[in-house]
Amino acid sequence: SQQGEEDPQALSIQEGENATMNCSYKTSINNLQWYRQNSGRGLVHLILIRSNEREKHSGRLRVTLDTSKKSSSLLITASRAADTASYFCATDALDLDMRFGAGTRLTVKP
Amino acid sequence: GAGVSQTPSNKVTEKGKYVELRCDPISGHTALYWYRQSLGQGPEFLIYFQGTGAADDSGLPNDRFFAVRPEGSVSTLKIQRTERGDSAVYLCASSLNGQGSYNEQFFGPGTRLTVL
Repeated sequence: SQQGEEDPQALSIQEGENATMNCSYKTSINNLQWYRQNSGRGLVHLILIRSNEREKHSGRLRVTLDTSKKSSSLLITASRAADTASYFCATDALDLDMRFGAGTRLTVKP
Repeated sequence: GAGVSQTPSNKVTEKGKYVELRCDPISGHTALYWYRQSLGQGPEFLIYFQGTGAADDSGLPNDRFFAVRPEGSVSTLKIQRTERGDSAVYLCASSLNGQGSYNEQFFGPGTRLTVL
């Protein structure tokens, strides 16, 4: 069964705009990770945030985690056409291996 | 260095046939994972190996699915009596350590299985 749920399911923006995707999950977690998947290709790890962290940055990516609300957000700033992909959150817990949500399909128009 | 590789990249089979899907993890990675991804969905966990043993096989949908990792490196996912509903992309991932530790998983390109 899937643990995380991304919102929105699809997002379309213009190049240069920011993109925000949200993830909600159900059980307590150790870590939450965000992955990107280009069409027809494998998943690429973007960033990991631990349960005791609240915010993390990596380049144009900013991830927040609110364990009280069991939610996370991924912000991509100054988006580029190459950011077009599906984005998944994945959670892992003490007795549970990584579970993915259904993903957000991001389209960045040039 | 080489990443995770999976063979074949595509497999077309007929309903009722047996298939084997292979995964070569990154050298030195003790943990190996199999996922299944249907169109428009996220990866669905199937099974996790720590070394040679299946540490968690709770995601295998039924007893037609089986996986092995006899030497703690290469893994084979085996599907018996395939059904049309088994059609999906099967993803393999490996990580340096397994459950309970920092767990960045490196994914292979997947095997697209089509059951006619």
